[in-house]
Amino acid sequence: SQTIHQWPATLVQPVGSPLSLECTVEGTSNPNLYWYRQAAGRGLQLLFYSVGIGQISSEVPQNLSASRPQDRQFILSSKKLLLSDSGFYLCACPARGQGEDGYTFGSGTRLTVV
Amino acid sequence: GENVEQHPSTLSVQEGDSAVIKCTYSDSASNYFPWYKQELGKRPQLIIDIRSNVGEKKDQRIAVTLNKTAKHFSLHITETQPEDSAVYFCAASEGGYQKVTFGIGTKLQVIP
Repeated sequence: SQTIHQWPATLVQPVGSPLSLECTVEGTSNPNLYWYRQAAGRGLQLLFYSVGIGQISSEVPQNLSASRPQDRQFILSSKKLLLSDSGFYLCACPARGQGEDGYTFGSGTRLTVV
Repeated sequence: GENVEQHPSTLSVQEGDSAVIKCTYSDSASNYFPWYKQELGKRPQLIIDIRSNVGEKKDQRIAVTLNKTAKHFSLHITETQPEDSAVYFCAASEGGYQKVTFGIGTKLQVIP
């Protein structure tokens, strides 16, 4: 079964500072990978997804970017954070092999922009 | 693309009562419908799922129903307990490696 590692778990950053969140996956190869943001403790907003190395699709225009330098690595970045970038960021991949077709989620990064 | 609507957004029930959360979807190609539970500050976890070839599935106090014709599905929790308090997300997908589309979430509060 897949395991997703995300770090850091929490992050407090000033407005205008850069951001780099990392997600790595174990137990699968060439997975689709997703970045979600959850603001105000509610809805899951899909930010980016990737079907392979170097392949990134953006779901919503925003201040963030994503990269996939390796098969099992997915990075979320920003050059200059905004207050509105605060939220709970979750990395996910398909949960095939566990009898389900949904997602396995990472433990998340709680980002507070001050 | 797929659009999943979920209601209510918040739900308060007395301990022991039942809770029902309803969702609708738009894409007739969707055939896999998972439900996730997210406790405060934690990742969403799958609690039950249903595929389009069945109309109902039950797992202890949790059940899901699916009406493909009407494109709606529901989560039923019976004999609610305080530990059921969480945010619940419905979702729809074409299955396999296809993208999962989530509802907005329902914050369930079970009052002891």
